[in-house]
Amino acid sequence: NAGVTQTPKFQVLKTGQSMTLQCAQDMNHEYMSWYRQDPGMGLRLIHYSVGAGITDQGEVPNGYNVSRSTTEDFPLRLLSAAPSQTSVYFCASSWSGDSPLHFGNGTRLTVT
Amino acid sequence: DAKTTQPNSMESNEEEPVHLPCNHSTISGTDYIHWYRQLPSQGPEYVIHGLTSNVNNRMASLAIAEDRKSSTLILHRATLRDAAVYYCILRDQGAQKLVFGQGTRLTINP
Repeated sequence: NAGVTQTPKFQVLKTGQSMTLQCAQDMNHEYMSWYRQDPGMGLRLIHYSVGAGITDQGEVPNGYNVSRSTTEDFPLRLLSAAPSQTSVYFCASSWSGDSPLHFGNGTRLTVT
Repeated sequence: DAKTTQPNSMESNEEEPVHLPCNHSTISGTDYIHWYRQLPSQGPEYVIHGLTSNVNNRMASLAIAEDRKSSTLILHRATLRDAAVYYCILRDQGAQKLVFGQGTRLTINP
């Protein structure tokens, strides 16, 4: 019963590097989303998807790309990492727009 | 997005009830009141949600004021594992987006 799985757990990047944060869920949820959490702050929505092939921007989308080719996977791409993107990233999924969100345990990213 | 106001921190003792308040004076008729909590080094965890009536589940109870401008999350018998940051969030019906504030950091004393 894996739920929402995020990889890697930790990552260090140099400024300008690119990488993909992986998120997979095994609950057949239609809705998936990415949040970032800066120290001492609440979560802010980056991008979300209401189903395969459909994505939309959240509050803080700049510097990030997403795609949703399957129901299970929702990867988050950092195009050119910047120190301001140092944060903990959480992926979440839900059955519908009204149902509770299930969160992964996060990816802690440091950009130097 | 309608906002919520919560105390920054609260403290309680183990095995005692805890009442976590939340004010949401600008709530709209279609906003559900959601509560999530975040344990150290983990992702947020759903606790409970409601629209107008009080709600109970195995984790907690949610008491909603008659005018819906405030609500209270009730942990009936706190344990050390309940120490976490608790977020009160308004979520429009059908909306995917959750707007997190800074939440209430709950400390449980043994």
